[in-house]
Amino acid sequence: DTGVSQNPRHKITKRGQNVTFRCDPISEHNRLYWYRQTLGQGPEFLTYFQNEAQLEKSRLLSDRFSAERPKGSFSTLEIQRTEQGDSAMYLCASSLTGAHSPLHFGNGTRLTVT
Amino acid sequence: LAKTTQPISMDSYEGQEVNITCSHNNIATNDYITWYQQFPSQGPRFIIQGYKTKVTNEVASLFIPADRKSSTLSLPRVSLSDTAVYYCLVGDMGAGSARQLTFGSGTQLTVLP
Repeated sequence: DTGVSQNPRHKITKRGQNVTFRCDPISEHNRLYWYRQTLGQGPEFLTYFQNEAQLEKSRLLSDRFSAERPKGSFSTLEIQRTEQGDSAMYLCASSLTGAHSPLHFGNGTRLTVT
Repeated sequence: LAKTTQPISMDSYEGQEVNITCSHNNIATNDYITWYQQFPSQGPRFIIQGYKTKVTNEVASLFIPADRKSSTLSLPRVSLSDTAVYYCLVGDMGAGSARQLTFGSGTQLTVLP
């Protein structure tokens, strides 16, 4: 399977705990994106990497959120001191570098904060 | 940012052709139009992309009028498995900005037997 892989698929945590998600993009894709999706809504942009450089962050990405992409390969998204409002599907996508390269999404990590 | 407007939901019957229209009045010169399909508990999946006129692939056609202020995704002879949410995305990464790759609320297509 050469698609975008995300782990874990589901995560249940208690409020105040830290969680970390992993995304493995398609190997030849230089760009990597994180989105968040809540029920009934479209995905919301969180952040974007070109290789290992984090080039953009949304206002949605509070200081409790941090993302990394060491060596320009896999990426991690960490949420510290989780809140119930963080409950959502976290989606990772990757793409080639072209201006109009389509996004290839993984199947997401469903986070539930109790 | 080119905002998009789509119908919230549509119903169709198996075997019919379905057309979903997306309005994007503020589309910029360099923006492309991309459609994605999403099933429950899965990430969106690329369907088709175009800039102007008509694009066709093995699963859909995309019609874009000359003014590019709207686009229509056409799904021929839908089946029950085409029941999903369909998103229209308008944007361009040429300036290196991903922020504009903003999804709207999409169109829930329900195919009935």
